[in-house]
Amino acid sequence: GQNIDQPTEMTATEGAIVQINCTYQTSGFNGLFWYQQHAGEAPTFLSYNVLDGLEEKGRFSSFLSRSKGYSYLLLKELQMKDSASYLCAVYTGGFKTIFGAGTRLFVKA
Amino acid sequence: GAVVSQHPSRVICKSGTSVKIECRSLDFQATTMFWYRQFPKKSLMLMATSNEGSKATYEQGVEKDKFLINHASLTLSTLTVTSAHPEDSSFYICSAPNIQGAEDTEAFFGQGTRLTVV
Repeated sequence: GQNIDQPTEMTATEGAIVQINCTYQTSGFNGLFWYQQHAGEAPTFLSYNVLDGLEEKGRFSSFLSRSKGYSYLLLKELQMKDSASYLCAVYTGGFKTIFGAGTRLFVKA
Repeated sequence: GAVVSQHPSRVICKSGTSVKIECRSLDFQATTMFWYRQFPKKSLMLMATSNEGSKATYEQGVEKDKFLINHASLTLSTLTVTSAHPEDSSFYICSAPNIQGAEDTEAFFGQGTRLTVV
């Protein structure tokens, strides 16, 4: 079966660092996406990992370990506007992308 | 970057009527588009894959006669919710893959449509 797990909610303080984990078990794997979604809006692309390792893009970094079926999204210097849901999604191939349930991040002052 | 435009952003309709949602790729051709449904505080659930010039592929449990999909051109896919009922109220989002060579590296999402059936 297809399974993507990530925590339901997390809370962090403005200026801090937060790590959102994602584990997956899928029938195929061609890459892993992270998306940000604010309430009532469409998801916006954050990152795409194909190979193992850490990819940094400004305040956001994403890590992938294919052998462990594990990824995390690291957010640094948190801002209030970072309060949103973060979706982990696995591209299984054949244009199929499977989404996790998302992690709702609350940033407090 | 590539843009996918979805219209309307919000629609309220009476129970029993039909609603059409459009999804356009503005600066690239999309032979494939995806239609998702999202309930409050839930993730995106793939409903169907829309293929230009051929029939859509529906996910298990999705009624193809209720959710009609037409992909008449390389830039337009439509989802029609027929005989809508209150339980069809949801957030519907389309997306199109950005194909670079043989690999998809990103999916571009439309703005989403909030459907409320009263």
